[in-house]
Amino acid sequence: AQKVTQAQTEISVVEKEDVTLDCVYETRDTTYYLFWYKQPPSGELVFLIRRNSFDEQNEISGRYSWNFQKSTSSFNFTITASQVVDSAVYFCALSDMDSNYQLIWGAGTKLIIKP
Amino acid sequence: GAVVSQHPSRVICKSGTSVKIECRSLDFQATTMFWYRQFPKQSLMLMATSNEGSKATYEQGVEKDKFLINHASLTLSTLTVTSAHPEDSSFYICSAGKPQETQYFGPGTRLLVL
Repeated sequence: AQKVTQAQTEISVVEKEDVTLDCVYETRDTTYYLFWYKQPPSGELVFLIRRNSFDEQNEISGRYSWNFQKSTSSFNFTITASQVVDSAVYFCALSDMDSNYQLIWGAGTKLIIKP
Repeated sequence: GAVVSQHPSRVICKSGTSVKIECRSLDFQATTMFWYRQFPKQSLMLMATSNEGSKATYEQGVEKDKFLINHASLTLSTLTVTSAHPEDSSFYICSAGKPQETQYFGPGTRLLVL
């Protein structure tokens, strides 16, 4: 069965530090999609990235970067030079054919950036 | 990304009343919309998949007579919580998106039943 594990329940760092949020997934499908969403205190889920299983290239978007490694079934998310506005809950999610492409969610990691 | 709106953002109602929540895709046609429920400090729980022009598909344990879903057009899905009770108080979020593609989420509705 599919599963997404975000082992870090909460991370707290001081502003300007780099921080990595871990995501490990399980699926039997060869075609699947991985996502990261940000949920600030307001509650709205903000889409950050979508990656398909055939594209293992790492991606960088400003201060955000993602490391996709199929060998370890991980899709980790790094924020460089963190800012207070990065404080939020971050969710990793998986969709595959077995799940009818519904999102399988991790438990989320609460990130606290202290000024 | 696509824009999804949700209305109302917050509602307080008395026990026994019904509450309707609207979810609209503003800049694209959504044949499929999803309704989620989120309890404090927890992840999202899928309640149902709403398909335009057909009946919604409910997840196991979700009462379809309690949570009525209507997806009458390609841009609007509604969730009606019938005869709401305090245990229905929660954060309800909708999303829109095709299978295998990105789901875009509405801002959510906080429901408080007194």
